[in-house]
Amino acid sequence: GNSVTQMEGPVTLSEEAFLTINCTYTATGYPSLFWYVQYPGEGLQLLLKATKADDKGSNKGFEATYRKETTSFHLEKGSVQVSDSAVYFCALGGSNFGNEKLTFGTGTRLTIIP
Amino acid sequence: GAVVSQHPSRVICKSGTSVKIECRSLDFQATTMFWYRQFPKQSLMLMATSNEGSKATYEQGVEKDKFLINHASLTLSTLTVTSAHPEDSSFYICSARVLAGVTDTQYFGPGTRLTVL
Repeated sequence: GNSVTQMEGPVTLSEEAFLTINCTYTATGYPSLFWYVQYPGEGLQLLLKATKADDKGSNKGFEATYRKETTSFHLEKGSVQVSDSAVYFCALGGSNFGNEKLTFGTGTRLTIIP
Repeated sequence: GAVVSQHPSRVICKSGTSVKIECRSLDFQATTMFWYRQFPKQSLMLMATSNEGSKATYEQGVEKDKFLINHASLTLSTLTVTSAHPEDSSFYICSARVLAGVTDTQYFGPGTRLTVL
């Protein structure tokens, strides 16, 4: 079945540092890949997504590239801010158009220190 | 963007009682909603898929008689935890699926923390 392996946290960085959160997946077919963010006390928000190989999702300075050859979807940001402190979830959706179910990674808690 | 609300945000109940959690899509209609359970420091586990006007589809290992799901309208799905016990204490999160052209996205509610004494 589908599974997502995500970098364990917590991760603590200084402001303006470079961020990478690793995510690899196992799936049949050609799933869509997502990064969700959960700020303290809030629900999950879609951060970015990619629907096919070599696609790059980007939002708010975050980027992730769908690498089929390495089955990875690592999240990166060049210069983090304190406001980026949150829990980040990598997720895998159904193949093609049918994203009825999402499989989540365990989440990575990110803390940015001023 | 699309907003999903949950009510209540927190609930504490005695063992043996039933608790109802509401999930509403505020500014859009959702034919499909999902219910997840999140344990501390763990990922979200899909419990069931709720389709408007039909019975919910439960994931393997989820007791459908214990976790009753009703999706009576295109903007409301409810999860009722029946005869709750301390092991049911958890964070319950719903999401609503939006299909628009080629876009297929789930929007999540803020979650409900259930504590069973």
